[in-house]
Amino acid sequence: QKEVEQDPGPLSVPEGAIVSLNCTYSNSAFQYFMWYRQYSRKGPELLMYTYSSGNKEDGRFTAQVDKSSKYISLFIRDSQPSDSATYLCAMSALLNYGGATNKLIFGTGTLLAVQP
Amino acid sequence: SAVISQKPSRDICQRGTSLTIQCQVDSQVTMMFWYRQQPGQSLTLIATANQGSEATYESGFVIDKFPISRPNLTFSTLTVSNMSPEDSSIYLCSVDVGGPEQFFGPGTRLTVL
Repeated sequence: QKEVEQDPGPLSVPEGAIVSLNCTYSNSAFQYFMWYRQYSRKGPELLMYTYSSGNKEDGRFTAQVDKSSKYISLFIRDSQPSDSATYLCAMSALLNYGGATNKLIFGTGTLLAVQP
Repeated sequence: SAVISQKPSRDICQRGTSLTIQCQVDSQVTMMFWYRQQPGQSLTLIATANQGSEATYESGFVIDKFPISRPNLTFSTLTVSNMSPEDSSIYLCSVDVGGPEQFFGPGTRLTVL
């Protein structure tokens, strides 16, 4: 079983729709949760970063974390064609202190297409 | 955040040759990371590069195949050695700026013939 599972899509929605992107994970040590957006032929761009369970909102984007269910979501409201990209969830468990690395574990990404 | 550039942006190489990828950051950072992103797959961490010490490699990656340099706090290189078509991938460097989130460069798209 992979540590992080993400529906690869592709997901196609009409402009203005609400989009829900999801990841599940198995490692209860994961403490930090991130969503990245990656346009074609570009590097991943950090969208949202959350730590605690609950919701975090930034403009049209809402990140939701449910640690008890090991489930995270990214909601996009009023989706736009410019939102068309691959969305990657990523997680990390702070391993130790004093020069430790933060190893990110990524989902496989969901390809989203927003149709005008 | 941090602004990261990579060179080259893409390359096509012959089997058995080596390619060195450069990563430059616009600010001093402690940790730099190298990832591989194969088609249809998630990002996989190759190694972590800390200035002044040997890079730490993840399971499945070895220094002879992916030697890394980290000469200062703003620069790192990854070399892909003795390449085969299986090494065709996107190679990404990233940094953290004190928190768990990382910021990525634009990537280097490598094709090995």
